[in-house]
Amino acid sequence: AQSVTQLDSHVSVSEGTPVLLRCNYSSSYSPSLFWYVQHPNKGLQLLLKYTSAATLVKGINGFEAEFKKSETSFHLTKPSAHMSDAAEYFCVVRDNNAGNMLTFGGGTRLMVKP
Amino acid sequence: KAGVTQTPRYLIKTRGQQVTLSCSPISGHRSVSWYQQTPGQGLQFLFEYFSETQRNKGNFPGRFSGRQFSNSRSEMNVSTLELGDSALYLCASTDPRVGYGYTFGSGTRLTVV
Repeated sequence: AQSVTQLDSHVSVSEGTPVLLRCNYSSSYSPSLFWYVQHPNKGLQLLLKYTSAATLVKGINGFEAEFKKSETSFHLTKPSAHMSDAAEYFCVVRDNNAGNMLTFGGGTRLMVKP
Repeated sequence: KAGVTQTPRYLIKTRGQQVTLSCSPISGHRSVSWYQQTPGQGLQFLFEYFSETQRNKGNFPGRFSGRQFSNSRSEMNVSTLELGDSALYLCASTDPRVGYGYTFGSGTRLTVV
């Protein structure tokens, strides 16, 4: 069975400061991991994905995440927050032996203060 | 290429009615999955179709059903609607190679009154 825990339901940062959104996962087999962003009243947009290649994954809009197997973590970071980054972020795991079912974390709402 | 298209964007239905939602995947994607998003339960997997066959099903009652056509378009149906079925229903398509990204549609917002 697979599961995802996003450790913070809300994160608030000032514009121009770093962003850290934390995610821990549980998976029986080698997982694929994703981060998605959802702006209000919109669908989900893929930020980045880890698929057993490089452990440091770079995504769109300056985001990156590091896969740490020993810590079962996949935290999302960005060096400098922008007002447009305010949204809800979802960490997602796909067990590569369980078909195409995605398991979502509970989400982290990122607020960016001017 | 065009993204994932979900129709309609918004729906209001009465308890007891049934509803059908549609999803057209990205051209060439044969895997289509459906998810329900609610404030209380978050995003939950409903089912996945690949080449017109249901491959996985989440933990939802039998009132929730789906199908996929030969052109990969998918529909989901909810019968005997309940107030708790009010949610954003999201469809995702993917090329089923391992680790490939999933592209989501903008969703259908269903309100049951």
